[in-house]
Amino acid sequence: DVKVTQSSRYLVKRTGEKVFLECVQDMDHENMFWYRQDPGLGLRLIYFSYDVKMKEKGDIPEGYSVSREKKERFSLILESASTNQTSMYLCASSLGGGRTEAFFGQGTRLTVV
Amino acid sequence: AQTVTQSQPEMSVQEAETVTLSCTYDTSESDYYLFWYKQPPSRQMILVIRQEAYKQQNATENRFSVNFQKAAKSFSLKISDSQLGDAAMYFCAYRRHQAGTALIFGKGTTLSVSS
Repeated sequence: DVKVTQSSRYLVKRTGEKVFLECVQDMDHENMFWYRQDPGLGLRLIYFSYDVKMKEKGDIPEGYSVSREKKERFSLILESASTNQTSMYLCASSLGGGRTEAFFGQGTRLTVV
Repeated sequence: AQTVTQSQPEMSVQEAETVTLSCTYDTSESDYYLFWYKQPPSRQMILVIRQEAYKQQNATENRFSVNFQKAAKSFSLKISDSQLGDAAMYFCAYRRHQAGTALIFGKGTTLSVSS
């Protein structure tokens, strides 16, 4: 079974902290994604990566950065956490082609206080 | 830019009945893929069904089927013989044909199932 693992299910951080959300996949997938899920807004793409060290901005990249130094790991970084970044964060991975499904982690519910 | 619209924030159905969830999308491309994902209270997103735009035949997976109308850019999900375990949020998603592209999601429909 494909496994996408997010490092934390729940996280509480203080305003201004630098926050790292980690995601690891074990199926040698080329693509990895970070989405943010908010009630009434669905899933919005923050960043995605189609290869090691490659990244593309999604719809809402402001306040976030990413790192992909190894194929299996994709990190989302909140440079200076703010309360409006309180949300559910979902990581996903997929093979290269458009037909292939994306596999998701279980999500990290981040609260910034 | 491509967009996906789910016009029903909430739907309800009784056990054993049939329910249809709506989805429309906007794209100028002719080759693409459409998906329905299910997110139960556990938060784990699960693929329900997939449709290739070049295929005229509607996809089916057991009790789940789609009505794909390419000209109308419509992609509805029909759940037959609804079960309590079908209660979840359902997301419609679009993906371009090219490799290295991301899924674009709608805002979701929360489905409740009553006994």
